[in-house]
Amino acid sequence: QKEVEQNSGPLSVPEGAIASLNCTYSDRGSQSFFWYRQYSGKSPELIMFIYSNGDKEDGRFTAQLNKASQYVSLLIRDSQPSDSATYLCAVDNSGGSNYKLTFGKGTLLTVNP
Amino acid sequence: EAQVTQNPRYLITVTGKKLTVTCSQNMNHEYMSWYRQDPGLGLRQIYYSMNVEVTDKGDVPEGYKVSRKEKRNFPLILESPSPNQTSLYFCASSLGLANEQFFGPGTRLTVL
Repeated sequence: QKEVEQNSGPLSVPEGAIASLNCTYSDRGSQSFFWYRQYSGKSPELIMFIYSNGDKEDGRFTAQLNKASQYVSLLIRDSQPSDSATYLCAVDNSGGSNYKLTFGKGTLLTVNP
Repeated sequence: EAQVTQNPRYLITVTGKKLTVTCSQNMNHEYMSWYRQDPGLGLRQIYYSMNVEVTDKGDVPEGYKVSRKEKRNFPLILESPSPNQTSLYFCASSLGLANEQFFGPGTRLTVL
């Protein structure tokens, strides 16, 4: 079974700081990488996706992908209390005839005012 | 409004009583999935469907069935529910595996 591991957390940062969330994956054939945010009691919603090595920026969010190291991260700059949520890393497992999507267990982020 | 709907949102049932959780999307998406979310175990894929009449097992398919007779609907069937299937269930849809998953509101199932 392909695995996706996230730093266990919980992670607590002060308002205005940079929050760094990390994820490693086991399937070298993975092509698509996603970060979802899930507020307590709500459904996951997409924050970022990345397909190519390097950085991808969208506002205060930056996703970083290193396929050689099988590592993907999410940086949240100028963290706000509204960023407090669980962040889920998701990776496709599309080798052979599989078209699965595997999620990590999530990292709970708390941003303190 | 583009959305994924699930019904029921909450369900308490007893061991062995067959149940179906419905899922419908109005975005003409080809890829649909069912997930269960449990504390400490995260979100795990139960079944997925690439298109009508094409379904396959995810990582935790035991005790579940699905069907995809129409593009918009992807029901989850528990033929003989057991207490270890007590969980929060999410249906999701997307254009494809490499695209954003749109999640339904979730169904909280308790099996006594």
